[in-house]
Amino acid sequence: EVQLVESGGGLVQPGGSLRLSCAASGFTFYSYAMNWVRQAPGKGLEWVSGISGSGGTTYYADSVKGRFTISRDNSKNALYLQMNSLRAEDTAIYYCAKATGAAGKILFDYWGQGTLVTVSS
Amino acid sequence: DIQMTQSPSSLSASVGDRVTITCRASQGISNYLAWYQQKPGKVPKLLIYATSTLESGVPSRFSGRGSGTDFTLTISSLQPEDVATYYCQKYNSAPFTFGPGTKVDIK
Repeated sequence: EVQLVESGGGLVQPGGSLRLSCAASGFTFYSYAMNWVRQAPGKGLEWVSGISGSGGTTYYADSVKGRFTISRDNSKNALYLQMNSLRAEDTAIYYCAKATGAAGKILFDYWGQGTLVTVSS
Repeated sequence: DIQMTQSPSSLSASVGDRVTITCRASQGISNYLAWYQQKPGKVPKLLIYATSTLESGVPSRFSGRGSGTDFTLTISSLQPEDVATYYCQKYNSAPFTFGPGTKVDIK
């Protein structure tokens, strides 16, 4: 059974940093691209960032480019999102999502339960 | 970047009604279009990929059509358990943008 468990969310001041983690199990982790998708309270889904199975290719939404960094540790079956220079508009539930589809064609077949990030003074 | 729009933003229909949601891409995306269902308080669930292929376990009352820039999701006979927000998503290339969502409820 595929399981994705996020952690690391919390309250942070504007301009601050936070590192999210996602622990994956139930599938061959290194074979799949992984992603972060967020959802602001009461709003729609926003894809944030993705990383290939090897970690060699990364993708970012324009809204987070230069502030967020995605990475993975295939030896630990773990996905990370380092978030710097946080803004109020980054407040959201952050979901870890496993990708399916061909290389570079990313859609999401499994989602974690999410971790809430709140950016506020 | 390619923008995704959906219409309507919300709809209310009776049990048994046929419901259609439209998704439009600002540029052609071939058939790289997926649909997700998010029930209130729950995590999104993949319903359809490659425009018309149902994910395993998805009821056959759901169907998808389209290509290029215009796509539809149809629920042939709306059921109470279909109350949810439905999102389309393009996945031909980054950014892997979602549509704004269509909220479906029962009249």
